[in-house]
Amino acid sequence: RKEVEQDPGPFNVPEGATVAFNCTYSNSASQSFFWYRQDCRKEPKLLMSVYSSGNEDGRFTAQLNRASQYISLLIRDSKLSDSATYLCVVNIAAHYKLSFGAGTTVTVRA
Amino acid sequence: GAGVSQSPSNKVTEKGKDVELRCDPISGHTALYWYRQSLGQGLEFLIYFQGNSAPDKSGLPSDRFSAERTGGSVSTLTIQRTQQEDSAVYLCASSLVRLSGGAGNEQFFGPGTRLTVL
Repeated sequence: RKEVEQDPGPFNVPEGATVAFNCTYSNSASQSFFWYRQDCRKEPKLLMSVYSSGNEDGRFTAQLNRASQYISLLIRDSKLSDSATYLCVVNIAAHYKLSFGAGTTVTVRA
Repeated sequence: GAGVSQSPSNKVTEKGKDVELRCDPISGHTALYWYRQSLGQGLEFLIYFQGNSAPDKSGLPSDRFSAERTGGSVSTLTIQRTQQEDSAVYLCASSLVRLSGGAGNEQFFGPGTRLTVL
């Protein structure tokens, strides 16, 4: 089983729609969780860290479910500029390696 | 402030040649990482530096790959006798502290070096 698994998508949504997707991780000892976004032929950029209680940053909401070992990302009021690949990233406590999911592709259409 | 920078941005080389890729981390970041990303694939961890030492080189694909870091800052990834399968984007990242769990240890990436081996 992969350390981090994501639905590759693509999720094709109209502008203004809400889109949500999950990521599962295999190691119950994981302590840090992030969502990165990666545009085509660009480097990954940190979108947000994911905290135990869940957190929101503008139109983006991240949730962590430790019992079921998944994290989620919800994007409200989608914009064309939200089109990207979203990478789920998990760090294992006392380890420095980030395990990257293969990414979920989101395409927002006008 | 300035982000992570990498050079060159693109490198085309012939099979069998050696290449050097450079990374300048964010000032003050003690941890530095090298990753590789092939077309349409996820990120593959190569090596981690804490200061000038590399506690984990386990991701280096073969002994043709080596890396060093000097002065706790700039790092160089060297690939000797390049092969076509080495073609990929090589990404460098840095973070403020050694990752030991919890937020605040996020990694920040440079723009990458696109390596093409003919």
